[in-house]
Amino acid sequence: EADIYQTPRYLVIGTGKKITLECSQTMGHDKMYWYQQDPGMELHLIHYSYGVNSTEKGDLSSESTVSRIRTEHFPLTLESARPSHTSQYLCASSGQTGRGYGYTFGSGTRLTVV
Amino acid sequence: KNQVEQSPQSLIILEGKNCTLQCNYTVSPFSNLRWYKQDTGRGPVSLTIMTFSENTKSNGRYTATLDADTKQSSLHITASQLSDSASYICVVSDRGSTLGRLYFGRGTQLTVWP
Repeated sequence: EADIYQTPRYLVIGTGKKITLECSQTMGHDKMYWYQQDPGMELHLIHYSYGVNSTEKGDLSSESTVSRIRTEHFPLTLESARPSHTSQYLCASSGQTGRGYGYTFGSGTRLTVV
Repeated sequence: KNQVEQSPQSLIILEGKNCTLQCNYTVSPFSNLRWYKQDTGRGPVSLTIMTFSENTKSNGRYTATLDADTKQSSLHITASQLSDSASYICVVSDRGSTLGRLYFGRGTQLTVWP
């Protein structure tokens, strides 16, 4: 059962539009992450956060920005979408759970920029 | 350079057959190794997690093995089902789950035919 939620699941948008991908988790995890994944390729970390008001860029350079105003919420924003931003975006969180230390992914947002 | 290599890249088997997926890594220092199942268009779901001292871990029809000396892991799937069709991703963490980062393989795309 997913305790981390991403919306929308699919998004098709025109070039130049501003978009925000939503990610929320109900596990109380301090750490949250955004990954980008192209078909058949590995996940690449683009942003992470270790807590409220803490955000860092990941290994893969991205034109997107993130914010962490609340523990449970970690939205990703693209100010001006371009076709090169077409990809799958996965949100994840990590922390202690009743079953030990967990690392949980959301279902992803498939973004297509036309 | 910390890397995770998986083989084969893709695999087709008949329903009911067994299969074994391989993962070799060069991540150091090693903390833990996870296997994830990722259905098309979905986020990865954890199957197993093994630390340095664990040689094998089972989760239903999935059995993972780890040889920390040779830095190799395998995921064995028994009596495959159509629903096993997915990408299986090997993920290695360095240092510790609370501080370490994750290194992702590109996955093995498994297709189970009836």
